[in-house]
Amino acid sequence: DGGITQSPKYLFRKEGQNVTLSCEQNLNHDAMYWYRQDPGQGLRLIYYSQIVNDFQKGDIAEGYSVSREKKESFPLTVTSAQKNPTAFYLCASRDFRGADTQYFGPGTRLTVL
Amino acid sequence: KNEVEQSPQNLTAQEGEFITINCSYSVGISALHWLQQHPGGGIVSLFMLSSGKKKHGRLIATINIQEKHSSLHITASHPRDSAVYICAVSPNTGNQFYFGTGTSLTVIP
Repeated sequence: DGGITQSPKYLFRKEGQNVTLSCEQNLNHDAMYWYRQDPGQGLRLIYYSQIVNDFQKGDIAEGYSVSREKKESFPLTVTSAQKNPTAFYLCASRDFRGADTQYFGPGTRLTVL
Repeated sequence: KNEVEQSPQNLTAQEGEFITINCSYSVGISALHWLQQHPGGGIVSLFMLSSGKKKHGRLIATINIQEKHSSLHITASHPRDSAVYICAVSPNTGNQFYFGTGTSLTVIP
């Protein structure tokens, strides 16, 4: 079955540490996205990538970094510069060709202690 | 400016009741998604719609493209349906999804 994998489901880190969240898809989708969810708010775009080796900042990119070295993978690094990293993080992908299929991952809940 | 508006924000129902959650959006879209998020849990995709109606078990999703409106219905609601339901749209143009703030549903036994 094709889909998006985000691991782990829950992640705990100490303040001041960088942490990388995994997002993998086997859908052959070109576009991938990272969103952040805070209590009582809608999901907000952090970064997106439309093609390998290219990515763009979203609305709340400060304190985050990404890479897109492979089509299947779009890892998000939450750096120590992110002031409030505790949140739920969601990865999504989209294939604009043909049927325009779109998928969402299950998400990762990050808690910084 | 919110491209996606959901109502109600919170909803409490008795077990067995018929439930409707609404979603309105302001942009042209290629598809609309209904997502479910349990407390402390991850996201589960329920439906992806571009027209008409879809049914899965006790869940029914409809969309009216002309009116830019979608509804999610739950028939014979059950306490295990208690979750946050999120509407998301993928615009025809642009490079992101837009999400509603979610509807928090509590079904009481």
